[in-house]
Amino acid sequence: AQSVSQHNHHVILSEAASLELGCNYSYGGTVNLFWYVQYPGQHLQLLLKYFSGDPLVKGIKGFEAEFIKSKFSFNLRKPSVQWSDTAEYFCAVNAPQAGTALIFGKGTTLSVSS
Amino acid sequence: GAVVSQHPSWVICKSGTSVKIECRSLDFQATTMFWYRQFPKQSLMLMATSNEGSKATYEQGVEKDKFLINHASLTLSTLTVTSAHPEDSSFYICSAAFRDSVNSPLHFGNGTRLTVT
Repeated sequence: AQSVSQHNHHVILSEAASLELGCNYSYGGTVNLFWYVQYPGQHLQLLLKYFSGDPLVKGIKGFEAEFIKSKFSFNLRKPSVQWSDTAEYFCAVNAPQAGTALIFGKGTTLSVSS
Repeated sequence: GAVVSQHPSWVICKSGTSVKIECRSLDFQATTMFWYRQFPKQSLMLMATSNEGSKATYEQGVEKDKFLINHASLTLSTLTVTSAHPEDSSFYICSAAFRDSVNSPLHFGNGTRLTVT
């Protein structure tokens, strides 16, 4: 079965700082990888996804993530954060050929001060 | 775009009563729907996988007799919390995948906030 590990529980940044949130997964087969964001009081929204192809994936709101297969990682990055990026970020993985559900990491709380 | 509708968005019930939560895929057929539970400041935990026309598959530790799941059609799955207790208070979220498209990203409902008094 898959599992997802997010290294950072709470990240605090000032506006314009660069962001990198770690995500590692464990699964030996083909995976789909996702990053979701949950703004305070709102539901989950998809930031970006990786299925295949270019391992550098660009998502909405200036976010990107890089799939490094050898490291089983899918870290989320943003060169310059804004106060409005304050939210909970979840990494998730599923195994499409096994028909599995998305398995989520425990999430990282990002707090951006203006 | 694809939309998953979840109803109700919030419900308050008394201990011992049952609550039904509906999850509908509005513009696509969802062979499989998933039910998650999210406690405050925690991640989403998969409760069960619901396949149209068959019994749901529950994750370890989830009581199937307490959390009844029915997936009667390709656009509707329901979760019934039976004999609810205060510890069942949580945020319940459903998600659905396009039929015959294992690579499609799952679409999430807005969730249901259940409070049991």
